Amino acid sequence: GAVVSQHPSRVICKSGTSVKIECRSLDFQATTMFWYRQFPKQSLMLMATSNEGSKATYEQGVEKDKFLINHASLTLSTLTVTSAHPEDSSFYICSAHLTGGRSYNSPLHFGNGTRLTVT
Amino acid sequence: GESVGLHLPTLSVQEGDNSIINCAYSNSASDYFIWYKQESGKGPQFIIDIRSNMDKRQGQRVTVLLNKTVKHLSLQIAATQPGDSAVYFCAEKGNFNKFYFGSGTKLNVKP
Repeated sequence: GAVVSQHPSRVICKSGTSVKIECRSLDFQATTMFWYRQFPKQSLMLMATSNEGSKATYEQGVEKDKFLINHASLTLSTLTVTSAHPEDSSFYICSAHLTGGRSYNSPLHFGNGTRLTVT
Repeated sequence: GESVGLHLPTLSVQEGDNSIINCAYSNSASDYFIWYKQESGKGPQFIIDIRSNMDKRQGQRVTVLLNKTVKHLSLQIAATQPGDSAVYFCAEKGNFNKFYFGSGTKLNVKP
């Protein structure tokens, strides 16, 4: 069964509004979660690392004020796309290590993604 | 981030044949790699992983080969089935347990 849950699976919003996406680890604690974005027929691009109890770290070129990340607890990370525009329309996917990030080599497990459409 | 790339964007195989999907990576210091399968509209699903101290690892119907000399990774799927049709990505572990993905190969299994 799923070990990482994302909500909502789909969202449509109007340009200029903000959208929040939730990522939950099920039955395990994750001190670190990772947010990716994927455009159609393209690969996953790492956006940022969500850290419980501290600030997220962003990959080069990702606007931290545009994509707000909050890791409120050991099982929940949220990504808020602020003042969304049509170019932000994409598939956003979160992930976590089952070990919570404490193991050196362990696979990432992914949620089923959130399809964001900005009109 | 590190560059991980694929040479073949689409691979078509006949049901029952073996499939080989290739991936090149750029960071010779990478010590852990994963293959993922992604079906349309879903998140990537873990298939198999390999550490850099190995050159081969087998799972159920899948085998991953790692050639560190030429920085090349491959995924072999035996007796390919229609349910194997998906996009396959290799991912390379970078610093701080972050993973960087290759460009992906779409596998199309013809019945």
